[in-house]
Order: sequence, then C-alpha cells, then structure tokens
Amino acid sequence: EVQLVESGGGLVQPGGSLRLSCAVSGFTFSNYYMSWVRQAPGKGLEWVANIREDGSEKFYVDSVKGRFTISRDNAKNSLYLQMNSLRTDDTALYYCVRGAEDFDSSGFYYPESGFDYWGQGTLVTVSS
Amino acid sequence: QSVLTQPPSASGSPGQRVAISCSGSSSNIGSNHVYWYQQLPGTAPKYLIYRNNQRPSGVPDRFSGSKSGTSASLAISGVRSEDDAHYYCSVWDDSLSGWVFGGGTKLTVL
Repeated sequence: EVQLVESGGGLVQPGGSLRLSCAVSGFTFSNYYMSWVRQAPGKGLEWVANIREDGSEKFYVDSVKGRFTISRDNAKNSLYLQMNSLRTDDTALYYCVRGAEDFDSSGFYYPESGFDYWGQGTLVTVSS
Repeated sequence: QSVLTQPPSASGSPGQRVAISCSGSSSNIGSNHVYWYQQLPGTAPKYLIYRNNQRPSGVPDRFSGSKSGTSASLAISGVRSEDDAHYYCSVWDDSLSGWVFGGGTKLTVL
C-alpha cells in the first residue's frame, strides 16, 4: 500500500523557517518524481515545487523561488521542503504528492503524468 | 487569479449530466495534457482523470474528460450524491515551467 506521511508543520512567525518531511512507503521512491502542493484555508490547490527521481532537476512556483528548497533522500525514502523567510500567505496545508508514471498506447513514457498519490498534509501557520 | 479558469460552482440533480470547464492558453492546455482531481470535504485530492481523458483504475466510468484547443472539460454522467465535491483541473505550463491548477469548481448535487 502506497503511503505518504508528512510532518514538520506548525506555527511560525513571519520571517521564520520550517522544514517539512514526507516519509513514503509501499513503492520504489527513487523511481518517481515528487512534488509539494499546498492549499490555503478555504482556498484551492497550488503546486509549490517538484523534484526529479534522482534530485537532479527541481522546479518551483514563482512565489517561493529563493525561499523554499525541495530535496530528497532516496536512501531514506524521504522528501523534504525547507521553507525560509516565511510569509503569512504561506499559511496552508502542505501535501506531499507522487508524480504518476504513465505509458500511452504508443509506448511514450510520461514520468510525471499528474499526481496519483497524496498524503494527508501537514499544516503550516505563519502568524505573529 | 489562477492561470486556468474554472467556474466556481456547478450543480445538478441526481442522474443528470454535469460538465465543468477549464480554460487555459497555448502554453498550458494548448500544448500539454490535462489532469482532473476530486476533493471531498476534509480529504486529500484524488486522481480522477489523467492525460485528458484516461481514468485511473477504480474511477467510475461516469467520469470522463476531454480537451479541445486551449480548453478542457470534465463531464459526470448520471451524477450521484457522493460526487458532491470540489473539482480541480491541472496542467504543466511551459512558460512558467511548473504545474498550474484551476481555481476549482464546487459541484453541488441537489
């Protein structure tokens, strides 16, 4: 059974830092793209960042560039999000999500065909 | 404002067909596959439609997706009370080099 379990959320003051972790099990972690997606209270979904299977490539939403860093430890089956210079608008439930592997009928391979498994999320509250 | 535009709400009576639209641009829907997610109250989103019109195993066939040009649509035929949820479209945006989501549509089953 695929499981993604986030931890590390909490209350932090503006300008502070937090490190989120996601422990995964039930699949070969090193074979998959991974992402963080967040949802502010009562709002929609916002993709935050993703990381390639081997950690060699990372992308971020503009609003977190230079402040957040996504990383992974394939030996520990874990995904991380280091969040610095936190702002009140970073307040959200942060989901750890797996990129779906997909092959179409012609055999073309999609390494990140959307997000097929989601954790339950960890809440980050930025407030003074 | 989201890069992808969805109506904030939709409704239908049990058994009716409901469609939810998702409008984008040439850098996202116009050049990449569209994905749809269902979020029931208090739960994490669920992978509903992938690569425009494919259903993961376990998703009922009353859910279908389509894409034309820079727009996509999720249709639910024979809507049921358990379909009362938020629905989000998503796609990779080549200009932003990142995934984008629509603002979400709250489907109310009357």
